Amino acid sequence: NAGVTQTPKFQVLKTGQSMTLQCAQDMNHEYMSWYRQDPGMGLRLIHYSVGAGITDQGEVPNGYNVSRSTTEDFPLRLLSAAPSQTSVYFCASKGRGPYEQYFGPGTRLTVT
Amino acid sequence: AQTVTQSQPEMSVQEAETVTLSCTYDTSENNYYLFWYKQPPSRQMILVIRQEAYKQQNATENRFSVNFQKAAKSFSLKISDSQLGDTAMYFCAFMSPAGGTSYGKLTFGQGTILTVHP
Repeated sequence: NAGVTQTPKFQVLKTGQSMTLQCAQDMNHEYMSWYRQDPGMGLRLIHYSVGAGITDQGEVPNGYNVSRSTTEDFPLRLLSAAPSQTSVYFCASKGRGPYEQYFGPGTRLTVT
Repeated sequence: AQTVTQSQPEMSVQEAETVTLSCTYDTSENNYYLFWYKQPPSRQMILVIRQEAYKQQNATENRFSVNFQKAAKSFSLKISDSQLGDTAMYFCAFMSPAGGTSYGKLTFGQGTILTVHP
């Protein structure tokens, strides 16, 4: 199993550009989520999904869109990037047990 | 909503010594899960230890142990015999149990950077 994979690992965008951060898992997990990590603030939940076709907002959803057309994939879209979205982004998937939370390697995004 | 607070932005310890990282949280739920995650410079999030709130016994994983004080809503991490490889950012995190409003969603503290000196 590859676990949770994220692409790209690094990305630089200009203000106003759009892009999609990719996330995939091969563990057949129903629950997937996106977090952003900022200095002094820990990780904060952006969006999550409890299964294909079902998504919901987390703590900091503004400026981000998600969709879940398959169990495996959960992409995060930035429609018009802003400098405030400069951060490290983590995708995670969760198995049935309460302790089974698997994180991807993260994407460092810089918006200039 | 739950909140998690780590009041120590940075800590340092000498190799082979013991260090304790603090975490407090606020919740109105009676049952929940608490976690400590380690994030080394590689950025990978690694689960260190976990605690179920309904268990009175403190969790232990090798050199890592917790002091869980439910009434005080405190969940500290003790690292014994510190090693250079323990140098990392450590996050405390909260999750509701199945059926709870925040099941599956982790609420993280701000993190504590731990440096182990040789």
